[in-house]
Amino acid sequence: AQKITQTQPGMFVQEKEAVTLDCTYDTSDPSYGLFWYKQPSSGEMIFLIYQGSYDQQNATEGRYSLNFQKARKSANLVISASQLGDSAMYFCAMREGIGFKTIFGAGTRLFVKA
Amino acid sequence: DGGITQSPKYLFRKEGQNVTLSCEQNLNHDAMYWYRQDPGQGLRLIYYSQIVNDFQKGDIAEGYSVSREKKESFPLTVTSAQKNPTAFYLCASSLAGLYGYTFGSGTRLTVV
Repeated sequence: AQKITQTQPGMFVQEKEAVTLDCTYDTSDPSYGLFWYKQPSSGEMIFLIYQGSYDQQNATEGRYSLNFQKARKSANLVISASQLGDSAMYFCAMREGIGFKTIFGAGTRLFVKA
Repeated sequence: DGGITQSPKYLFRKEGQNVTLSCEQNLNHDAMYWYRQDPGQGLRLIYYSQIVNDFQKGDIAEGYSVSREKKESFPLTVTSAQKNPTAFYLCASSLAGLYGYTFGSGTRLTVV
């Protein structure tokens, strides 16, 4: 069965520094997609970055990059040059095959300190 | 601008009452989803729909019902059979399986 694990309930980072949010996953399907979403205090979920299981290179979107280690089944999110506005909940998610269902991890709350 | 509109933002339900949460999108997305989020937890899938007039149960469908009569609309009814409905409900849509979701701003449902 598919599963997403985020082991860091909360993280602190100094403004302008980089931070890594951990995510491990479990699936038996060779084809899958991995996603990261941001949820500010307003509640709306914001899509950040996507990595396909067959992608050769790690995904990047601006200050976000996904450190994809397939053999270890990890998909860590790296945020460079943290900003105060990055303070939020961050969710790792996975979709198997060509299906439409996406499962989410429990989330990591990130606090950026000035 | 294209997006997903959820209404109302806050909803109060009395015991034994059915309530309907609205979700409308103008993104021309085929697939739509309903998730439930409890405090401090991740999202759990209630129902999803890949095309009009078709929908599938997610992981926690008991006590909920949906319809998909139009591509743009995917309302969720929380029935009296749902014993613990107090939660934050998020609607989402996507073009297809490979794309990330676009989410609405959510509805916070409270039983009074």
